[in-house]
Amino acid sequence: AQSVTQPDIHITVSEGASLELRCNYSYGATPYLFWYVQSPGQGLQLLLKYFSGDTLVQGIKGFEAEFKRSQSSFNLRKPSVHWSDAAEYFCAVGAAVNYGGSQGNLIFGKGTKLSVKP
Amino acid sequence: GAVVSQHPSWVICKSGTSVKIECRSLDFQATTMFWYRQFPKQSLMLMATSNEGSKATYEQGVEKDKFLINHASLTLSTLTVTSAHPEDSSFYICSAASGIVSNEQFFGPGTRLTVL
Repeated sequence: AQSVTQPDIHITVSEGASLELRCNYSYGATPYLFWYVQSPGQGLQLLLKYFSGDTLVQGIKGFEAEFKRSQSSFNLRKPSVHWSDAAEYFCAVGAAVNYGGSQGNLIFGKGTKLSVKP
Repeated sequence: GAVVSQHPSWVICKSGTSVKIECRSLDFQATTMFWYRQFPKQSLMLMATSNEGSKATYEQGVEKDKFLINHASLTLSTLTVTSAHPEDSSFYICSAASGIVSNEQFFGPGTRLTVL
């Protein structure tokens, strides 16, 4: 079954500390992987994506993520968290091909809420 | 670039009425648009996928007669919640994709629907 698991529901880090948000996926085809951020009452903003090539991808706002095929993981990292990073983060997986007849269907994890302590 | 708008941003309606939500791609042509529903503190659940000029494909468990989707042009898709009930209250988010190659979806800001 296709699924995305974000094992941490809520994480609190101190401002300036490093951050890693975990994401594991189960997918029956070559995956495209995404991280989105959502502020309260807002839509989703794309942080970064992985389609192919270098497994370490850089995104906006200083975020990066590493695709590890052997571990089916796509963890999000940031070396120094800012208070404005407090938000909900969603990992998502989609098909690299027209898989199962669903063009571009994305499967989302349940999200990780990030709180930042001053 | 790649901006998607939704209108209205929030709406309150009485039970039994219908509500239409618009999703527009402002600076690109969207061959495919997606409608998601998000309950409080939950993830996004895909409701349906619509391709311009054809009928929407609904996910299992989504009532197509209740959630009418129209994708009349390459820049506009609408979701109509018919005979709304309080349990339809939710955050509805649309996204648009310009093609299958990149499979990147651009999300609208969402519409908060409250049914009294």
